[in-house]
Amino acid sequence: AQKITQTQPGMFVQEKEAVTLDCTYDTSDQSYGLFWYKQPSSGEMIFLIYQGSYDEQNATEGRYSLNFQKARKSANLVISASQLGDSAMYFCAMTEMNTGFQKLVFGTGTRLLVSP
Amino acid sequence: DAGVIQSPRHEVTEMGQEVTLRCKPISGHDYLFWYRQTMMRGLELLIYFNNNVPIDDSGMPEDRFSAKMPNASFSTLKIQPSEPRDSAVYFCASSSNTGELFFGEGSRLTVL
Repeated sequence: AQKITQTQPGMFVQEKEAVTLDCTYDTSDQSYGLFWYKQPSSGEMIFLIYQGSYDEQNATEGRYSLNFQKARKSANLVISASQLGDSAMYFCAMTEMNTGFQKLVFGTGTRLLVSP
Repeated sequence: DAGVIQSPRHEVTEMGQEVTLRCKPISGHDYLFWYRQTMMRGLELLIYFNNNVPIDDSGMPEDRFSAKMPNASFSTLKIQPSEPRDSAVYFCASSSNTGELFFGEGSRLTVL
């Protein structure tokens, strides 16, 4: 079974608008961590945001926020006020306590295109 | 701090040749990971090390792939013999106990 599911292969948004990238996860662990990474066309992987399973508040980092709904096992990334530079692939990922929180498993990614 | 350093950035080789990819993790990071990225399979974890010891190599595709970490500042991923289906971008990443992975810029391998 897929640990991380990203159902949107591609998303389009206009500059300055907000966009939500979906991510659902599957785990039987009570303790886990959720990550989002950005991969621009240059290829590097850039860490964006982290949410721990016991964190009661949604994580935020600047224009990025993580909409964490534990009961639904979803960890959607919200980008507010999109910019042209946000055009990239976005990957959701998870670590679990049973791997010592070190084995990061990635989803298949969502390609975001921001238009002027 | 220099970040995770990978070499070569690009490699083009012929089927059957040996390929060696190299990685220098961030100093002080106890964990090192090798990932492979392809269009078809996305990002796959191949193997990871803790304190130079391989912990999980269940993602290594087959015996043609091997990885070593002889010391805390160096790791290699070797493919012998290489095949066209090994063409991919290979990422090395390192982390401390915080769990956040820092990735290198990747090594793009093309096997003809």
